[in-house]
Amino acid sequence: NAGVMQNPRHLVRRRGQEARLRCSPMKGHSHVYWYRQLPEEGLKFMVYLQKENIIDESGMPKERFSAEFPKEGPSILRIQQVVRGDSAAYFCASSREGATNYGYTFGSGTRLTVV
Amino acid sequence: QQQVKQSPQSLIVQKGGISIINCAYENTAFDYFPWYQQFPGKGPALLIAIRPDVSEKKEGRFTISFNKSAKQFSLHIMDSQPGDSATYFCAASRGGTASKLTFGTGTRLQVTL
Repeated sequence: NAGVMQNPRHLVRRRGQEARLRCSPMKGHSHVYWYRQLPEEGLKFMVYLQKENIIDESGMPKERFSAEFPKEGPSILRIQQVVRGDSAAYFCASSREGATNYGYTFGSGTRLTVV
Repeated sequence: QQQVKQSPQSLIVQKGGISIINCAYENTAFDYFPWYQQFPGKGPALLIAIRPDVSEKKEGRFTISFNKSAKQFSLHIMDSQPGDSATYFCAASRGGTASKLTFGTGTRLQVTL
């Protein structure tokens, strides 16, 4: 049973380009969460999605950022017109519906560098 | 009110010693408190978690102590080993599930020989 798969592991983008980060949840998991980790800081919640639905996007910047979790395929976090401040590690996590006692499982992250 | 404050920022412990990391929260609606361990280049991994209906939970060398009235909880690592060297994050959420975790800022633990 593969864990949460994120790709790419490392992504370099020039200012103004678009970044697409992919997350495939664990088998049987229908809930996906995206977090951002700035250097030397804790993880900050961005968005919580279920298949085809955004449940909570309260942590997502209002502009340039979007997320989706289609019926088929991975969840995508999309950052348009990237700026240097977007450089961070982006982690995806997944859980089963109604996860309680075991929290959720994180992927290894995508490290985005904006040059 | 959504903050979780974690201390210390870094910690050096000798092999065999006890590592203690503390967290404090403000939001009384929080009712799920996990600890995560993160190695360089990896995602956080759930270590142990507690709910407010118990004051202590132990799993192997790892123990969470929870003080509901003080709104504080701590992680104790007994018999610390070099392999425990990692960054530890406390977190909290409400609603009894792991949705939308609020993380502390992390403690970098180094266990020396």
